[in-house]
Amino acid sequence: GENVEQHPSTLSVQEGDSAVIKCTYSDSASNYFPWYKQELGKRPQLIIDIRSNVGEKKDQRIAVTLNKTAKHFSLHITETQPEDSAVYFCAARTESSGDKLTFGTGTRLAVRP
Amino acid sequence: KAGVTQTPRYLIKTRGQQVTLSCSPISGHRSVSWYQQTPGQGLQFLFEYFSETQRNKGNFPGRFSGRQFSNSRSEMNVSTLELGDSALYLCASSWSDVGPEQYFGPGTRLTVT
Repeated sequence: GENVEQHPSTLSVQEGDSAVIKCTYSDSASNYFPWYKQELGKRPQLIIDIRSNVGEKKDQRIAVTLNKTAKHFSLHITETQPEDSAVYFCAARTESSGDKLTFGTGTRLAVRP
Repeated sequence: KAGVTQTPRYLIKTRGQQVTLSCSPISGHRSVSWYQQTPGQGLQFLFEYFSETQRNKGNFPGRFSGRQFSNSRSEMNVSTLELGDSALYLCASSWSDVGPEQYFGPGTRLTVT
């Protein structure tokens, strides 16, 4: 089955700096890659996603890039703010597996004011 | 439009008991997936239901089961509870055939003593 690895497990940046979180996946048939943000005590919130026919997608300060050949995708957050502090999860879905998402282990991002 | 809701939000049970958790998806969503979240194992897929049929199942023992009703509401049941079943149980809903985006409910925090 699909396996998703996520790095780093923790990340601390200064407010205003950029943050990058990387994920690799194992199943070349995976075609959908969402990113979730989970604040303490809250539900995971879908913040951005990308499909396998797209190489990059942006939404204001966040962007996701996908390299299908290398089977990795990354989340980029620019001009970080203290409210970006949370745990971020990447995930992958294979169309033949319905809506099953395989998650990475999470990255705890701390933005220092 | 109302988001995904889950009841109850908190549960305390004793080893050996059974528990039923409920999930109401976003109106119009036909797919409901269940995940177990623990500090040690992260987000693990339990199962997915689409149009009242289990479409996918994760690697959990048979003590974990679920079902979906004609209005897309879903329940999951855990029998013969073990201490290791203590976790946050999250459900997520999606259009599935229209779009893969999954939206999570607030979760049910289950504590087994």
